[in-house]
Amino acid sequence: NAGVTQTPKFQVLKTGQSMTLQCAQDMNHEYMSWYRQDPGMGLRLIHYSVGAGITDQGEVPNGYNVSRSTTEDFPLRLLSAAPSQTSVYFCASSYYGGRSDYGYTFGSGTRLTVV
Amino acid sequence: DAKTTQPPSMDCAEGRAANLPCNHSTISGNEYVYWYRQIHSQGPQYIIHGLKNNETNEMASLIITEDRKSSTLILPHATLRDTAVYYCIVSGNSGGSNYKLTFGKGTLLTVNP
Repeated sequence: NAGVTQTPKFQVLKTGQSMTLQCAQDMNHEYMSWYRQDPGMGLRLIHYSVGAGITDQGEVPNGYNVSRSTTEDFPLRLLSAAPSQTSVYFCASSYYGGRSDYGYTFGSGTRLTVV
Repeated sequence: DAKTTQPPSMDCAEGRAANLPCNHSTISGNEYVYWYRQIHSQGPQYIIHGLKNNETNEMASLIITEDRKSSTLILPHATLRDTAVYYCIVSGNSGGSNYKLTFGKGTLLTVNP
């Protein structure tokens, strides 16, 4: 049981490049989310999904796309990277929207720098 | 979702109880109180959650006031490894918001030897 796995752990992009941040969970969780965390700030919700084939926008969705073709995977795509997207990205998953006794399980993060 | 207010930082001596307060005066009847913590550079970790009653698990206790406008997270015997930012989050299930966690800046708890 690996929990929530994020790849890569570190990435440097040039402005305008595109890339996909991978997130996979092996706990059969229905809910999955992507957050970003800027220095000294709390986490902000980018996109979320309540099940395969269903996604919706969070607080800061601009510049990002998601899809949920399987229960296990929830990739985050940066369409055209900008320096403002330099951040640490966390993926999270849960049963029942985090209301189980285990809450949300977070991955270890992807540290992205856009130059 | 209701907003929360937490002190920006607190100190605690190792081995003593750490009591972290949270105000959520605008909480509504169907909203839960959640606590997560984030140890430096790691992903947040779920600690505990509750609706009305006090809750306890292997990590901590959660005390919610009778009017539900504030709560306290208690770490009974703090260790150096409990040094982290602690987030108090209120989230309900109205309008499908039960899967959205809104993180504030939290409380930086420093446990001192």
